[in-house]
Amino acid sequence: DAGVTQSPTHLIKTRGQQVTLRCSPKSGHDTVSWYQQALGQGPQFIFQYYEEEERQRGNFPDRFSGHQYPNYSSELNVNALLLGDSALYLCASSLGTWRAETQYFGPGTRLLVL
Amino acid sequence: GIQVEQSPPDLILQEGANSTLRCNFSDSVNNLQWFHQNPWGQLINLFYIPSGTKQNGRLSATTVATERYSLLYISSSQTTDSGVYFCAVGVGSGGSNYKLTFGKGTLLTVNP
Repeated sequence: DAGVTQSPTHLIKTRGQQVTLRCSPKSGHDTVSWYQQALGQGPQFIFQYYEEEERQRGNFPDRFSGHQYPNYSSELNVNALLLGDSALYLCASSLGTWRAETQYFGPGTRLLVL
Repeated sequence: GIQVEQSPPDLILQEGANSTLRCNFSDSVNNLQWFHQNPWGQLINLFYIPSGTKQNGRLSATTVATERYSLLYISSSQTTDSGVYFCAVGVGSGGSNYKLTFGKGTLLTVNP
């Protein structure tokens, strides 16, 4: 049973560029959430996708956008990269039900913006 | 939004010692999870515990929802227990899953 997978593992970009990160949820899960973790901080919620729609969004600008495919995999896109976007980006998957469920995290993508 | 405070921020132990990590939160929650983040950044699930007590080997956790705190106990610590421990809480009204709000973590160092 594969867990949550993310690609790529590491990425280096320059300011102003655009980046796409990918996530495949744990088998049987249909909800994907994205988090940003800056160095020395706890992860911060970016947004959540369920049934191919953005359901919740944290305090992040519109430069951060996403998509969920029919197979429940998801992408995080960041446009016009800033130095401050350098962080570990984590994807979490869970089962979308009417009650709280355990969220499982992938290994993350480390993004460095130069 | 909900506030999550973890204490202590740093903890240094000798191998074999016991420890207690605390998580306070500012409002009622539907979800509370404890994670261990390894040096490569992977968040490893330890407990899903919005209330009650659970045990898994040398680790156990207790959440007192009415008093808005959770405790993670590590007994007979090992060097492999080193890393950052995060508490994360979720608040929501159903329909989709709950976003997690994380504390700043406790950095645990276990020396041989």
